[in-house]
Amino acid sequence: HSALTQPASVSGSPGQAITISCTGTSSDVGGFESVAWFQQHPGTAPQVIIYDVSKRPSGVSHRFSGSKSGNTASLTISGLQTEDESDYYCVSYTTSSTWVFGGGTKLTVL
Amino acid sequence: EVQVVQSGPEVKRPGATMKISCKFSGYTFTDYFIHWVRQAPGKGLQWMGQIDPDEDREVVFEERFQGRLTLNADMSEDTVYMEMTSLTPEDTATYYCAVGGATLMDPFEIRGQGTMVTVSS
Repeated sequence: HSALTQPASVSGSPGQAITISCTGTSSDVGGFESVAWFQQHPGTAPQVIIYDVSKRPSGVSHRFSGSKSGNTASLTISGLQTEDESDYYCVSYTTSSTWVFGGGTKLTVL
Repeated sequence: EVQVVQSGPEVKRPGATMKISCKFSGYTFTDYFIHWVRQAPGKGLQWMGQIDPDEDREVVFEERFQGRLTLNADMSEDTVYMEMTSLTPEDTATYYCAVGGATLMDPFEIRGQGTMVTVSS
């Protein structure tokens, strides 16, 4: 399975909302509800912020939300804060019983 | 609380074999799949494989690692091992273990601090 497609970078101003897309195929994103999003700050391990397309682990801000339409999953961050500046990765389960990550998106808060 | 301690950094020569480990505590070790994810310096995340630490030891690998990646679990030590052969400089990366769910398609959470492996002549 090829890597999922994410924009290399997105940016937004504090208080704004941004959306990061994650495009796959019917063999991964489109075929399962097993899509997750990870946030990774420099020098730290990635942390899951969304799982099962739209569920938030306890402790994750309600400003983070996930959705899916067809073969594309999306992560929306509302009320952008400077601390949201980070790298974001989507990951999906596949028909091969494997998982595949997106290439990652660098979020800049201007 | 689930806790994971990964083995320390390693430096390997091209062609060598690496073997790193993750020791788990705070939950029933055999209840959940364990995943391995790696990240080359300045690059993105790459899923490598997962293992069911229970007695059936079900294992799934990313196709590109087939043939040179081995995952094992020691139930007596609550520890999972990853062994990879025929190393090249492209295998230089931080390797993370992650705790999944009860099935292959359950989500996973990276719990380990990562193990840096450097492959260089």
